[in-house]
Amino acid sequence: AQSVTQLGSHVSVSEGALVLLRCNYSSSVPPYLFWYVQYPNQGLQLLLKYTSAATLVKGINGFEAEFKKSETSFHLTKPSAHMSDAAEYFCAVSVPGANNLFFGTGTRLTVIP
Amino acid sequence: DTEVTQTPKHLVMGMTNKKSLKCEQHMGHRAMYWYKQKAKKPPELMFVYSYEKLSINESVPSRFSPECPNSSLLNLHLHALQPEDSALYLCASSQEGLSDTQYFGPGTRLTVL
Repeated sequence: AQSVTQLGSHVSVSEGALVLLRCNYSSSVPPYLFWYVQYPNQGLQLLLKYTSAATLVKGINGFEAEFKKSETSFHLTKPSAHMSDAAEYFCAVSVPGANNLFFGTGTRLTVIP
Repeated sequence: DTEVTQTPKHLVMGMTNKKSLKCEQHMGHRAMYWYKQKAKKPPELMFVYSYEKLSINESVPSRFSPECPNSSLLNLHLHALQPEDSALYLCASSQEGLSDTQYFGPGTRLTVL
């Protein structure tokens, strides 16, 4: 079975500071990993995904994530936070041929001016 | 065009009403999904259609009835809902299956009185 754990339901950063949102996964087979962002009253938008190619994945809006098998992690980072980054972020895992996409509980990012 | 559209945006219904949610995509995707999302929670998978056939039903009560009239459309028929069914209902689509990138619609905010 697959699962993800997002440490920190709430993260606050100052505008211009580094954003680090943590995601650890559990999977018995090589996983596919995703980060989605959800703005208030909207659907989910894909930021980036890992599907066993390069371990450092670059996404939209300046975000990137690094797949670390030894740490079973897929943390999301952005060098400099912008006010528009304030949103809910979900990490998700699936595996080839799986019947489900497992979401973490989400991390709400607040950006302080 | 990477857009998934959903109508209506908001829906208020009584427990004896019958209503339908609609979802449409024109990306040629062959898999479509319904998710339910409660406030401050991750999305929960309800149904998956693959090539217009229901492939996954995650033990959803029969008061929710999905329908896939063609490869671009997905409906969710609602009947005799309960107040606890109030949530954001998200539609998504992907090229083939769950390990492919899912594109989400903006959702329908449902309130059951």
